Amino acid sequence: GAVVSQHPSWVICKSGTSVKIECRSLDFQATTMFWYRQFPKQSLMLMATSNEGSKATYEQGVEKDKFLINHASLTLSTLTVTSAHPEDSSFYICSARSGGRMEEQFFGPGTRLTVL
Amino acid sequence: GQNIDQPTEMTATEGAIVQINCTYQTSGFNGLFWYQQHAGEAPTFLSYNVLDGLEEKGRFSSFLSRSKGYSYLLLKELQMKDSASYLCAVTDSNYQLIWGAGTKLIIKP
Repeated sequence: GAVVSQHPSWVICKSGTSVKIECRSLDFQATTMFWYRQFPKQSLMLMATSNEGSKATYEQGVEKDKFLINHASLTLSTLTVTSAHPEDSSFYICSARSGGRMEEQFFGPGTRLTVL
Repeated sequence: GQNIDQPTEMTATEGAIVQINCTYQTSGFNGLFWYQQHAGEAPTFLSYNVLDGLEEKGRFSSFLSRSKGYSYLLLKELQMKDSASYLCAVTDSNYQLIWGAGTKLIIKP
């Protein structure tokens, strides 16, 4: 149980285009989902926390107009990187936590974004 | 500020034991996690400690001392597949996960 999927697993796009990444909890309802970014040889950096049905909470320094997050249902959250630039190339990972549990977050497999 | 420290890199021999330390200074404490992350993959959950003491799970054990702001992950009978980064993360008073930079563990035959 507790499986989180991400789609796509990798994407290459041209500078200026927008990319949407989906995160799904397959066998549980995720009231809270998290979006992380990880650059090579660095740790995870939390970008935003999203609760179902409400606006996402962005970490300091993360542009909410550039990284659009939608958490429309208890099993799906999407991250859209708008007008992507080469510096946005990174490994984007989502995680999900079911309501009421303060324990582990379940991670998706990640999406590797390369912006040319 | 909030801070989590762990060694950048460690090397150990196959079949041996290795201990990865983690010290933390956070605003509040609601649990400490250890995750394993292989290169190019997402982290996978290893352990969770919220009370002082040792939690054993197969070849992996995790220890916590809240008074010292200290934890360690102990890996026994090391296998080559254990080569990975090990991430220490602490949940603060707002239930936010604060991540360490990770310890890259290299296993040699």
